Amino acid sequence: SAVISQKPSRDICQRGTSLTIQCQVDSQVTMMFWYRQQPGQSLTLIATANQGSEATYESGFVIDKFPISRPNLTFSTLTVSNMSPEDSSIYLCSVGQDSSSYEQYFGPGTRLTVT
Amino acid sequence: GENVEQHPSTLSVQEGDSAVIKCTYSDSASNYFPWYKQELGKGPQLIIDIRSNVGEKKDQRIAVTLNKTAKHFSLHITETQPEDSAVYFCAASIRDSGYSTLTFGKGTMLLVSP
Repeated sequence: SAVISQKPSRDICQRGTSLTIQCQVDSQVTMMFWYRQQPGQSLTLIATANQGSEATYESGFVIDKFPISRPNLTFSTLTVSNMSPEDSSIYLCSVGQDSSSYEQYFGPGTRLTVT
Repeated sequence: GENVEQHPSTLSVQEGDSAVIKCTYSDSASNYFPWYKQELGKGPQLIIDIRSNVGEKKDQRIAVTLNKTAKHFSLHITETQPEDSAVYFCAASIRDSGYSTLTFGKGTMLLVSP
């Protein structure tokens, strides 16, 4: 499976600021996804990051709040904008190797605390 | 949309016992069912998965069973060890010619006591 890294691993941010999270994969992958995991909760899909086009957002998530970039097949960023304490979560990047594969693999996550 | 229910929310066993976690799904079109293990401070790790054309799959001490008629699937861990302690998530998706997203259960915290 692909090796996935995320930066930063954790951060503490002030209310009203923005944070950009990076996801790097060691091989080209077709699909990249961003999830949110609130404390003690399950995983909720934020969006699918599409290479070369706008991300596809799930219900309840909007581009103005969570802009996503996917400039190539190994890299994506998620920005959490105008943060509030409710945005305190773990943000996870996951990848699907190619369009014929079923498996999704997750990165280590970014632990965000908003004060 | 798909809805996945997972039980129990916590499970405590003694080392060497077996552990079973159960999930039900709502969409009969779902055809791919992975299980993830998440240790504290880490991202979820894919440990086993099953596709709808198979009823059971084993990998050493872990196995997954699928009952399509009843729309439920289960994770079985035998001879549990303290390092099996983690949160386990089940998920379901409809995997066809395109790529489909995963819907996760709420997770089961498994505690294995030495």
